[in-house]
Parts: sequence; structure tokens; C-alpha cells
Amino acid sequence: NAGVTQTPKFQVLKTGQSMTLQCAQDMNHNSMYWYRQDPGMGLRLIYYSASEGTTDKGEVPNGYNVSRLNKREFSLRLESAAPSQTSVYFCASSDGGGDGYTFGSGTRLTVV
Amino acid sequence: DQQVKQNSPSLSVQEGRISILNCDYTNSMFDYFLWYKKYPAEGPTFLISISSIKDKNEDGRFTVFLNKSAKHLSLHIVPSQPGDSAVYFCAAFPSGTYKYIFGTGTRLKVLA
Repeated sequence: NAGVTQTPKFQVLKTGQSMTLQCAQDMNHNSMYWYRQDPGMGLRLIYYSASEGTTDKGEVPNGYNVSRLNKREFSLRLESAAPSQTSVYFCASSDGGGDGYTFGSGTRLTVV
Repeated sequence: DQQVKQNSPSLSVQEGRISILNCDYTNSMFDYFLWYKKYPAEGPTFLISISSIKDKNEDGRFTVFLNKSAKHLSLHIVPSQPGDSAVYFCAAFPSGTYKYIFGTGTRLKVLA
């Protein structure tokens, strides 16, 4: 099925470890986004990429880095994981049209 | 500061009745609004949208109303069905940005 694919679906990290969350879309969308969802906080934008070759900070970028590898792929890296980064992470893509974003199914990350 | 607010964390409605979910915003630069539905362990999916030049948009059982003077939008689901039980997020963005700001979500439970 066409859409947004996130890997892994689940991950447990120890404090200080690093990891990269992968996201790929096959809809030829220009824009891609990383959000985190926390209880009572809704979905908050971490980083986004309006087009291939560009990235910008969102509301909560501290502790994260991103790479727009090509038009299809947008990865999120945690260099030194902290318990405050325990969350569900969603990748999304968009062509800028009125139908909004297409989201992946999420990565549930626990940092202990 | 929360620019998009959903003040009701949860709502229970009897099957067949109307569900009304509310959303308030503070930024007068927002000119496009969307509703997303999210089931557990899945990513949010687009439900319905409305531009600031309209005050109503209807799609089957779902209608979104926008009151710009009050900076308020609402989602009406009629009739409500058990399959509508999910978390609903409203989102908004100013034109040209496509960086959505999401509310904190309302969990709707439709009772059979």
C-alpha cells in the first residue's frame, strides 16, 4: 500500500544511547515532518523538510537532528537519548494540498 | 503557549446521537483548519478540513463549522457510530507554511 513507512515500530534505549528513526514515503510528496505525541500535549512538531535539501526546526527540536536523504526519506536522530524523549514519534508527508498530511503508524520509543 | 486548544479531553455519546467536538485557537493568522482521527497504535488520518473563507464544510456524517470572530471550530458527527470511537485532533496553519499546529486531542467514545 502506498503511504508512509516508519521503522522501527518499537524501541527501548538506555539513557545516553543514540539511534535513528527511519521514515520513507512513496507518494512523491515534497514536504516531510517529524512529530512527537505525549499525553496531554497533542502532536508537537520536531523538525520538518519543506522540500528535498532543506530542513527547519519546529516547536521542540532540542536533542534531535534530521536528514532529508532524498525526496523519499527523512530520518530523525537522537544523539544521546534522555528519558524526556520517551514518546511516540510520527513521521508525515504532504504535497501541500487540502487533504493534509499522511502519517506513518508511529514509533514507540522508551528511554530508561 | 497553546495556540490550538481542545478543552475537553474526553466525550461519551450514545450510538445514533450527535457528537460535537470543539476546538479554539488564538492565532488570527491561521487560515486553514483540519480534523484528524486517530485509533490506538495507528497514525492519525485526515478526516475533514475547512478554509477560513468558509464557515461550514460537510462530508457525509461529518460537518465542520468555523466561527472566525470567536476563533472557534467544531466537528459534528451525525449519527455517531461505535466505529467513530477514537481520539480526534484539530489542527491549524497559516497559509503558505503547511506547518500544522495540533490541539491536544479529544477522546470520543460512542456507546452501543
